[in-house]
Amino acid sequence: ELKVEQNPLFLSMQEGKNYTIYCNYSTTSDRLYWYRQDPGKSLESLFVLLSNGAVKQEGRLMASLDTKARLSTLHITAAVHDLSATYFCAIQGGSEKLVFGKGTKLTVNP
Amino acid sequence: NAGVTQTPKFQVLKTGQSMTLQCAQDMNHNSMYWYRQDPGMGLRLIYYSASEGTTDKGEVPNGYNVSRLNKREFSLRLESAAPSQTSVYFCASRSALSSYEQYFGPGTRLTVT
Repeated sequence: ELKVEQNPLFLSMQEGKNYTIYCNYSTTSDRLYWYRQDPGKSLESLFVLLSNGAVKQEGRLMASLDTKARLSTLHITAAVHDLSATYFCAIQGGSEKLVFGKGTKLTVNP
Repeated sequence: NAGVTQTPKFQVLKTGQSMTLQCAQDMNHNSMYWYRQDPGMGLRLIYYSASEGTTDKGEVPNGYNVSRLNKREFSLRLESAAPSQTSVYFCASRSALSSYEQYFGPGTRLTVT
């Protein structure tokens, strides 16, 4: 059974600081996704990582994938309040299915 | 393009009542999905449809039925609602490009009393 674990589940950080969210998964997968969800809203796609060593950056967020370690990271640089949201990673679990982690709720404080 | 649309946005049901959640996409995607989201649980797959005329169970299918009406529409039916089905329901469709990225609708907040 494919499992996806994110940590931490809750993260409170100050503006201007850096931090990393980790996503571990239990079996081989060639696609990993990061989504953002604002309170009461739907999921917005942030990154799609398709191969080992893939790195993608958008603004203050950078995602990477290490398929050998079965690990993806979402790094936040110089956090700002607008980044406060819940972040989910998900793995392609079969030909059709995505398996999601439980999410990391990020709060950025002034 | 509207992307993925869902109706209704909110619904309150009494235990034992039935209802159908509607989903439509205008991106010409073959695959469509229904998820539920509960606090602290992430998203869990209820049913999916890889193409028009096919449906398959996901992780938590009990108490639900689905219909892939055509390529655009994929509905989720609760025949006899239970309080355990109180949740936020998301419909998604999947790109046919190599990324296989899924695009999500705005969600339906369902409360069963």
